[in-house]
Amino acid sequence: GENVEQHPSTLSVQEGDSAVIKCTYSDSASNYFPWYKQELGKRPQLIIDIRSNVGEKKDQRIAVTLNKTAKHFSLHITETQPEDSAVYFCAASYNDYKLSFGAGTTVTVRA
Amino acid sequence: NAGVTQTPKFQVLKTGQSMTLQCAQDMNHEYMSWYRQDPGMGLRLIHYSVGAGITDQGEVPNGYNVSRSTTEDFPLRLLSAAPSQTSVYFCASGKGLAVDTQYFGPGTRLTVL
Repeated sequence: GENVEQHPSTLSVQEGDSAVIKCTYSDSASNYFPWYKQELGKRPQLIIDIRSNVGEKKDQRIAVTLNKTAKHFSLHITETQPEDSAVYFCAASYNDYKLSFGAGTTVTVRA
Repeated sequence: NAGVTQTPKFQVLKTGQSMTLQCAQDMNHEYMSWYRQDPGMGLRLIHYSVGAGITDQGEVPNGYNVSRSTTEDFPLRLLSAAPSQTSVYFCASGKGLAVDTQYFGPGTRLTVL
């Protein structure tokens, strides 16, 4: 299967600063890497994803980078706002039909 | 569209009881899946389906059964509940046959005493 490790487990940032979460994966055949945001008591929701044929993808204040050689990918949130406070999960696909998730990062944005 | 719906929202079972968690989607998605979420462990795939009549195991399938008789419905059955199955269960669906954007249901919080 696939093993996804996510760091840090908790992250506290000042409003307006940037937040970076890093994930590593084990299966070199993995080709799809989504990021999900989960607010307290709510369902996970996709915020951005990247495929293995792309090195970077941006959507407004959110960006994801992928390093296939090193088998790691990162989520970057710029100009953080209080509504960015949530748990963020990275994931990597394996066997085309399965997703393996990281353990999650709790992000707190301090006003 | 209602999206992905799950029932019940909350359930308490005694050890050894069986039950079915319901999941339905109205987006005509072929791909459906079940995850369990435990503190500090992220989401773990239990079973998935790529279409009616086709199911396969995920990472943690033991103690759970699934079936897919229609495109819309993907129930998860607990055969003989154990305290280790206390968790939050999420159903998800996605377009296409391979894993892609997953649309999650609201979750079922299950406690096994």
